[in-house]
Amino acid sequence: ELKVEQNPLFLSMQEGKNYTIYCNYSTTSDRLYWYRQDPGKSLESLFVLLSNGAVKQEGRLMASLDTKARLSTLHITAAVHDLSATYFCAVLLRAGGTSYGKLTFGQGTILTVHP
Amino acid sequence: GAVVSQHPSWVICKSGTSVKIECRSLDFQATTMFWYRQFPKQSLMLMATSNEGSKATYEQGVEKDKFLINHASLTLSTLTVTSAHPEDSSFYICSARVLLLEQFFGPGTRLTVL
Repeated sequence: ELKVEQNPLFLSMQEGKNYTIYCNYSTTSDRLYWYRQDPGKSLESLFVLLSNGAVKQEGRLMASLDTKARLSTLHITAAVHDLSATYFCAVLLRAGGTSYGKLTFGQGTILTVHP
Repeated sequence: GAVVSQHPSWVICKSGTSVKIECRSLDFQATTMFWYRQFPKQSLMLMATSNEGSKATYEQGVEKDKFLINHASLTLSTLTVTSAHPEDSSFYICSARVLLLEQFFGPGTRLTVL
């Protein structure tokens, strides 16, 4: 069974600071997603990481993937209040597994950015 | 871009009634649609996977007779919560995908059962 674990689960940051959210997963996969969810809303896709060493950046967010370590990171640079949200990573189980083609989500990281 | 809609966006019903939620892919044909359930401050839990024209595949612990899923066309899937009870109150999110490409999520439906 694929397990996806995020840490931290709660993150309180000051504006202007940097921080990293970690996403570990238990089974080989070559596709990892990061999503943002605002309160009462559905998921907004942030990044899709398809290969080992993949790095993607959008504004103050940068995501990376290390398939050998089964680890993805979401790095926040110079946080601003608008980044306050819940962030989820999700892993697509690699073809051949019993859960082929399904996303398994991490627990989510609730990020709050303070002035 | 790819848009997935859900209807209704929220619904309040009495205990014992059935509620139907529609999920539509508006500008693409989805080979697979997924239904998730999310409790407050928790992650998304996959309930079932459905492919057009075939029976849905339910996750372990999800009652098939309680949560009826119909995938009538490549653009429409429905989730019916039968004989709803307060413990069924939740945020239900659908998503749609073409083959193994990116999944697109609907806006969600908040169900409250009184």
